[in-house]
Amino acid sequence: EAGVAQSPRYKIIEKRQSVAFWCNPISGHATLYWYQQILGQGPKLLIQFQNNGVVDDSQLPKDRFSAERLKGVDSTLKIQPAKLEDSAVYLCATQRGPYNEQFFGPGTRLTVL
Amino acid sequence: RKEVEQDPGPFNVPEGATVAFNCTYSNSASQSFFWYRQDCRKEPKLLMSVYSSGNEDGRFTAQLNRASQYISLLIRDSKLSDSATYLCVVNGRANNLFFGTGTRLTVIP
Repeated sequence: EAGVAQSPRYKIIEKRQSVAFWCNPISGHATLYWYQQILGQGPKLLIQFQNNGVVDDSQLPKDRFSAERLKGVDSTLKIQPAKLEDSAVYLCATQRGPYNEQFFGPGTRLTVL
Repeated sequence: RKEVEQDPGPFNVPEGATVAFNCTYSNSASQSFFWYRQDCRKEPKLLMSVYSSGNEDGRFTAQLNRASQYISLLIRDSKLSDSATYLCVVNGRANNLFFGTGTRLTVIP
């Protein structure tokens, strides 16, 4: 079974620029999560989708972050404009159903200069 | 108060040693508990779920104390390959997950 795919793997941008990340879930996984992991910390949930609907985006900084999951499959996470403190690894995880294991993609490492 | 709090570590132990990690959680309504392992510059991967009765998987034993809102992970006979960061994870509302900061383990030859 193919795993969660993410791209790009690395991205370096300057502050105030925009950036987008892409996630392709494991086939059949209805739930998709985006996490932000700052160096030395555990992953922090940004947004949770169930199919193409948002379940929880309470920790998403909506003034600069947006995410969508059109058609309930692939998802994109966008930051505009980026700030220095957005430097982190952005992890996508997917899950077949409630209480099932979450599988993580390799992440996108973002550096904002 | 953070949803999940873990021992800060790091833990440096010799091969063959037994090491224990602890974690507390704040939401008494949480129903699902996990330990994830994260290798350096890699994504987290599920190590084991934690059940109320306690559970064991080879050299790894996980325990849950609901009354104290406390979770533990015991690793016996540590191997070099056990070196990683261990993340304590607890579910929140909508079944999302809250991760602890992680405890870094280094097993020394």
